[in-house]
Amino acid sequence: ETGVTQTPRHLVMGMTNKKSLKCEQHLGHNAMYWYKQSAKKPLELMFVYNFKEQTENNSVPSRFSPECPNSSHLFLHLHTLQPEDSALYLCASSRLVGDEQYFGPGTRLTVT
Amino acid sequence: AQSVSQHNHHVILSEAASLELGCNYSYGGTVNLFWYVQYPGQHLQLLLKYFSGDPLVKGIKGFEAEFIKSKFSFNLRKPSVQWSDTAEYFCAADNYGQNFVFGPGTRLSVLP
Repeated sequence: ETGVTQTPRHLVMGMTNKKSLKCEQHLGHNAMYWYKQSAKKPLELMFVYNFKEQTENNSVPSRFSPECPNSSHLFLHLHTLQPEDSALYLCASSRLVGDEQYFGPGTRLTVT
Repeated sequence: AQSVSQHNHHVILSEAASLELGCNYSYGGTVNLFWYVQYPGQHLQLLLKYFSGDPLVKGIKGFEAEFIKSKFSFNLRKPSVQWSDTAEYFCAADNYGQNFVFGPGTRLSVLP
């Protein structure tokens, strides 16, 4: 356990569905991150939040919509996804942006 | 764009062999450097980090890495690997909270 939890751990959704991924950190950190980990591709940083404010959006399609209501919670809202969006989605947190990151176990997403 | 490259995709060693995994980054200026490890079925976790100071950094489980600024490198080393070191190793770089990038990873298999 790293102090970062993610739910659900597995998710199968159709291309017309809307779903949300949840991340919670119990470490008192101020920065939170979403990553996408696909087979045979490097870990891709999607979004960064620092003190609840989004500071980075790495050209992520609008079908992925992040939300950070407070420093402990981070959501990734999903709608009209494509099969190529199937991947492991990792959440991480750090005390400050640029510090070492603590990762959650990930949500394995399959888009059918 | 900033990038991080890792020299080897898959390394296979026998127990007690020495390990060196290469990492190069393309950032200019000051950079923070990290090595993360992902053991089978476990979370990504930090092995070691370099922010400033002594360029030879020691991490957990007997790992160390050397920052060589002139070569833009941050290679990971361990004098004698164990079967339990079998994992995927990721190098990462960050420019003080901007442009956090992971390398593609190196899979290490240690044969008993």
